[in-house]
Amino acid sequence: DVKVTQSSRYLVKRTGEKVFLECVQDMDHENMFWYRQDPGLGLRLIYFSYDVKMKEKGDIPEGYSVSREKKERFSLILESASTNQTSMYLCASFKGQALPQYFGPGTRLTVL
Amino acid sequence: RKEVEQDPGPFNVPEGATVAFNCTYSNSASQSFFWYRQDCRKEPKLLMSVYSSGNEDGRFTAQLNRASQYISLLIRDSKLSDSATYLCVVNPRTGGFKTIFGAGTRLFVKA
Repeated sequence: DVKVTQSSRYLVKRTGEKVFLECVQDMDHENMFWYRQDPGLGLRLIYFSYDVKMKEKGDIPEGYSVSREKKERFSLILESASTNQTSMYLCASFKGQALPQYFGPGTRLTVL
Repeated sequence: RKEVEQDPGPFNVPEGATVAFNCTYSNSASQSFFWYRQDCRKEPKLLMSVYSSGNEDGRFTAQLNRASQYISLLIRDSKLSDSATYLCVVNPRTGGFKTIFGAGTRLFVKA
């Protein structure tokens, strides 16, 4: 079974704080994604990575950065958290383009 | 027009009913298709892949119509436990990475 884990299930931060969200997968997948999910807006892609040290912007990269130093780990960084970044953050990984993605349990981030 | 569109619902059906969801996609070059299920406050989980020939998994049947650019999910003999949001997922092309998720269709199955 594919296992994707995320560092926290719930997180509360203050405006202006730097926030790190970590994602780890144990299936040797090359591709890893970060999404946010908001009511009525569905899943929106923030960043993705198809290899170590490689990253590509998704649809809504502003205010975020990522790091992929090891194949199994993909980190999302909120440089200076703002209230409009309150959301559910989901990490996903998959092996190849035609194959499905597997999601971590999500991190529900609240920025006060 | 959105790249992937789903009826948001909600669909409210009694136990034992048959319910069908459709999902349309705009990119005719789309290559692979999936249905995911998402329970409240949980992550999406793969329900089934969708093949050109159609596929069935127990009470669930998925079909692809490339000519009309839609995929469908049929649930027979609905159970209370089927209550969830069903997401349509499309991979636009081979070699690319931008999977497109529909916003989801909410299903409530009532006793």
